[in-house]
Amino acid sequence: EAQVTQNPRYLITVTGKKLTVTCSQNMNHEYMSWYRQDPGLGLRQIYYSMNVEVTDKGDVPEGYKVSRKEKRNFPLILESPSPNQTSLYFCASSLWGGPQETQYFGPGTRLLVL
Amino acid sequence: AQTVTQSQPEMSVQEAETVTLSCTYDTSESDYYLFWYKQPPSRQMILVIRQEAYKQQNATENRFSVNFQKAAKSFSLKISDSQLGDAAMYFCAYVSNNDMRFGAGTRLTVKP
Repeated sequence: EAQVTQNPRYLITVTGKKLTVTCSQNMNHEYMSWYRQDPGLGLRQIYYSMNVEVTDKGDVPEGYKVSRKEKRNFPLILESPSPNQTSLYFCASSLWGGPQETQYFGPGTRLLVL
Repeated sequence: AQTVTQSQPEMSVQEAETVTLSCTYDTSESDYYLFWYKQPPSRQMILVIRQEAYKQQNATENRFSVNFQKAAKSFSLKISDSQLGDAAMYFCAYVSNNDMRFGAGTRLTVKP
């Protein structure tokens, strides 16, 4: 089944404890992206990747890191999480061409930073 | 920076009736794309409809259609014959040069 998977789906952590949210797609998509969703703000783009080893900042990259060593994986790293990073996170992918093409979203990861 | 505005935080519609969700955007670009995404209670983001700005014809997907007014920078979504399964959060989104912007969303309630 073609899909985007994220792990974990739910995470409670404490300020400063490094964490990684994994994202994987099995559709051979070139483009992958991370978003965060907050009430009243919609979704905001954190980072995106046009292909392997190619990443770029989105609208709200501060406090996040990403890497794209393989085509299928695009992990989101929070080196020192803070409470303002409590949010719902989505990973998405599209075949090529970036977000103007149809994006397939993962199920979301709900993060609470205490 | 480009902005997307959804002026209706909440809307409700009677089952089988028609409802229109509003979206306006601000851009100086001539080439861009517009989307409506649906987010049901499961939180999954689902593409509803996509419009390319250079196409004058309004996009349609079954019961969903858009009214794209490029000069007015308006992109409304019309849902016909509303069904209980249409109840969700709807997000309007704009994309140009890999920059993607979402509106704050409109929560749609469908009354039986």
